[in-house]
Amino acid sequence: AQSVTQLGSHVSVSEGALVLLRCNYSSSVPPYLFWYVQYPNQGLQLLLKYTSAATLVKGINGFEAEFKKSETSFHLTKPSAHMSDAAEYFCAVRLRTGFQKLVFGTGTRLLVSP
Amino acid sequence: EPEVTQTPSHQVTQMGQEVILRCVPISNHLYFYWYRQILGQKVEFLVSFYNNEISEKSEIFDDQFSVERPDGSNFTLKIRSTKLEDSAMYFCASSEGLSSGYNEQFFGPGTRLTVL
Repeated sequence: AQSVTQLGSHVSVSEGALVLLRCNYSSSVPPYLFWYVQYPNQGLQLLLKYTSAATLVKGINGFEAEFKKSETSFHLTKPSAHMSDAAEYFCAVRLRTGFQKLVFGTGTRLLVSP
Repeated sequence: EPEVTQTPSHQVTQMGQEVILRCVPISNHLYFYWYRQILGQKVEFLVSFYNNEISEKSEIFDDQFSVERPDGSNFTLKIRSTKLEDSAMYFCASSEGLSSGYNEQFFGPGTRLTVL
């Protein structure tokens, strides 16, 4: 069975600082990997996805993530945080076969201070 | 741009009452899902639905829950006798159901269910 671990329920950065949100996955076969963002009182928005051989994936709002098979990681980064990035971020994993369910991590709340 | 819609946005009910949460998936999508998120916790899979039947369900999806596609556009989640612990945000999602490709799941805005 797949699982996702997100280290740090809260991450605080200053505006302009590097954002690093950690995600490690466990899967018996190479999965699809996703990062979703949830703004307060809103639904889930797809930030980026890993579905192919390109290990560095670029998403919306300047975010990117690197798939590292040897480390079973898919950490999310952004070079320079903006106040509008404050939100909850969820890493998710899905098997490549069929139409499988998403398995989400526990989420990381990103706090951005001026 | 096509989107998944959900109604109502907020539902308040008394414990033991039945509730129906409604979703309109994207029109050409064939695969439908319900997830829930208890306040402060992670998003959890409930059920997936394809070709008018459940294709997978989680341990959470017990006999109190049911899903239905009553017509060509709606997809509903029914909770027969609500409990306090059913209070959560319920998300509907849909995907194209293609035989190839990764079939992105598109999420609706959610229905917040409060059981008193």
